[in-house]
Amino acid sequence: EDKVVQSPLSLVVHEGDTVTLNCSYEVTNFRSLLWYKQEKKAPTFLFMLTSSGIEKKSGRLSSILDKKELFSILNITATQTGDSAVYLCAVLSGTYKYIFGTGTRLKVLA
Amino acid sequence: DGGITQSPKYLFRKEGQNVTLSCEQNLNHDAMYWYRQDPGQGLRLIYYSQIVNDFQKGDIAEGYSVSREKKESFPLTVTSAQKNPTAFYLCASTRTGGDEKLFFGSGTQLSVL
Repeated sequence: EDKVVQSPLSLVVHEGDTVTLNCSYEVTNFRSLLWYKQEKKAPTFLFMLTSSGIEKKSGRLSSILDKKELFSILNITATQTGDSAVYLCAVLSGTYKYIFGTGTRLKVLA
Repeated sequence: DGGITQSPKYLFRKEGQNVTLSCEQNLNHDAMYWYRQDPGQGLRLIYYSQIVNDFQKGDIAEGYSVSREKKESFPLTVTSAQKNPTAFYLCASTRTGGDEKLFFGSGTQLSVL
């Protein structure tokens, strides 16, 4: 059975800390891995990774995929209170099936 | 602005009642999805549709029904057969055969009275 596992489930840090969120997967017919940020309602897109070892970066956020070991990490440096959210990892299997992890709830304290 | 519109934001269902959640997109996307999100759980797929007049069951389709009569619209009906409907429902869409980013609506919170 296809599955995506995120860790930790929740995390509390102070502003300025660096955090690493993990996503491991066992999925048939892997096509891509996606990260989303969910603050209140609608998840917003962060990154899509398809190739192993190539880092995607956007400001203080970065992500990398390891297709051999079947995992991805999302790094957030110099965290701010606005980074508080649930971070979702999803894997696209085949042409249509997006499989989501349970998410990591991040709380950044001022 | 292009996007996905879900309505209503909040919905209450009485016992034995069917309710319909609306999802409309103006992104010209081919594929549309319905997900259910429960506290502490990830998104679980209810139904998806890759083309007009065609749709497939996801992992938790029992107690739900959908239609896809227009490319822009993918309404979800929560029937009385769904015994535990209280959840947050997200509609999503994507192009097929190209950009694989999934775009989401702002969701509908359904509660049982």
